[in-house]
Amino acid sequence: DAKTTQPPSMDCAEGRAANLPCNHSTISGNEYVYWYRQIHSQGPQYIIHGLKNNETNEMASLIITEDRKSSTLILPHATLRDTAVYYCIVRSSGGSNYKLTFGKGTLLTVNP
Amino acid sequence: SQTIHQWPATLVQPVGSPLSLECTVEGTSNPNLYWYRQAAGRGLQLLFYSVGIGQISSEVPQNLSASRPQDRQFILSSKKLLLSDSGFYLCAWAPLAPSSYEQYFGPGTRLTVT
Repeated sequence: DAKTTQPPSMDCAEGRAANLPCNHSTISGNEYVYWYRQIHSQGPQYIIHGLKNNETNEMASLIITEDRKSSTLILPHATLRDTAVYYCIVRSSGGSNYKLTFGKGTLLTVNP
Repeated sequence: SQTIHQWPATLVQPVGSPLSLECTVEGTSNPNLYWYRQAAGRGLQLLFYSVGIGQISSEVPQNLSASRPQDRQFILSSKKLLLSDSGFYLCAWAPLAPSSYEQYFGPGTRLTVT
């Protein structure tokens, strides 16, 4: 699986967009980009995933660069409840066990 | 809808005592099941995963074991706990789909070994 690089921490003002970057320069053609988040003392929560097209759901948008070497998770209107560690994970679609490897992620702090 | 349960929510056990943590999933069949551990201030570590009843794969050698006696039940056990076993234990499930890495996590069990 390709390695990902994320900043250790970021701050965002409440109500503003939070843009969380992820670098995955060694990603291969069949690898998806997944985003999870973990609010303190809770289990991780799936947010969104994509292959090469930009994706949007009720929680966030995922922007993947054309060369697929990086991506950005966008929380359009961050709230205090979005304070969490955000994990960017790259994983291929093959196999049957669907193991995920969580790195250290980015601690996003939303400030009032 | 699918629901995942874990119990107990918190546990304090002495060194050398046994451990049994249970995880059950409702509302789905044939899920992939996972046990993770998160030590204080550290990332999530995958301990075990299971793709079916009685099928357990271990990721990290340790004094823990896992069992899957029923399709939607996953149990994490230890015969003798170590101090280093303290942490936040999370169970997760994923649909048995061709390309799904959408894992859904339970509320976790916070274990303190004293």
